[in-house]
Amino acid sequence: DQQVKQNSPSLSVQEGRISILNCDYTNSMFDYFLWYKKYPAEGPTFLISISSIKDKNEDGRFTVFLNKSAKHLSLHIVPSQPGDSAVYFCAASADKYGAGKSTFGDGTTLTVKP
Amino acid sequence: DTGVSQNPRHKITKRGQNVTFRCDPISEHNRLYWYRQTLGQGPEFLTYFQNEAQLEKSRLLSDRFSAERPKGSFSTLEIQRTEQGDSAMYLCASSLERGSLSPLHFGNGTRLTVT
Repeated sequence: DQQVKQNSPSLSVQEGRISILNCDYTNSMFDYFLWYKKYPAEGPTFLISISSIKDKNEDGRFTVFLNKSAKHLSLHIVPSQPGDSAVYFCAASADKYGAGKSTFGDGTTLTVKP
Repeated sequence: DTGVSQNPRHKITKRGQNVTFRCDPISEHNRLYWYRQTLGQGPEFLTYFQNEAQLEKSRLLSDRFSAERPKGSFSTLEIQRTEQGDSAMYLCASSLERGSLSPLHFGNGTRLTVT
């Protein structure tokens, strides 16, 4: 049973438009949610996070929204840039001391076309 | 901050052989994690250390797998009697546990191919 699901394996958007990546989870014990970005031949890099006590967190062009009742979170990238093309992983953690032991989704490959 | 370093980057081995991977975390990080990633999937948690203590192991980690972190610095992951199903990217990550949200810093991984 996959506890974190990213139902869209891929997403293609035009440069300058909004990218919306979605993630659903099933485990009510998850308290922290993170997004990682991965380029080919590199490890994932942390992008943005949100605690379950919030419903929105913003960092520059990146905003994460959390809907606890729906067990759903989304990552918005505005405006999208070609350099944002990568695989995006949603991750969730119930580790109250941090977010290290995380459960990852299978990723969404974002392509931003110039 | 020189980042998390993993060696080797690639390893090809024959079924039944033993392999060992090394991870050097960010120096001030007290937590070290091992994850495994197969094609088309996200990273899967294997085990983690706080300093030199191995605090948790996933049931994915069979008894052919062993990890160590002597002196709380670098870590090694050994796979004995490798099987073709062990072929994957093995990712190491580190973090600084400080009682609040602390994301993982990943290395670039070791890609294992078992023939």
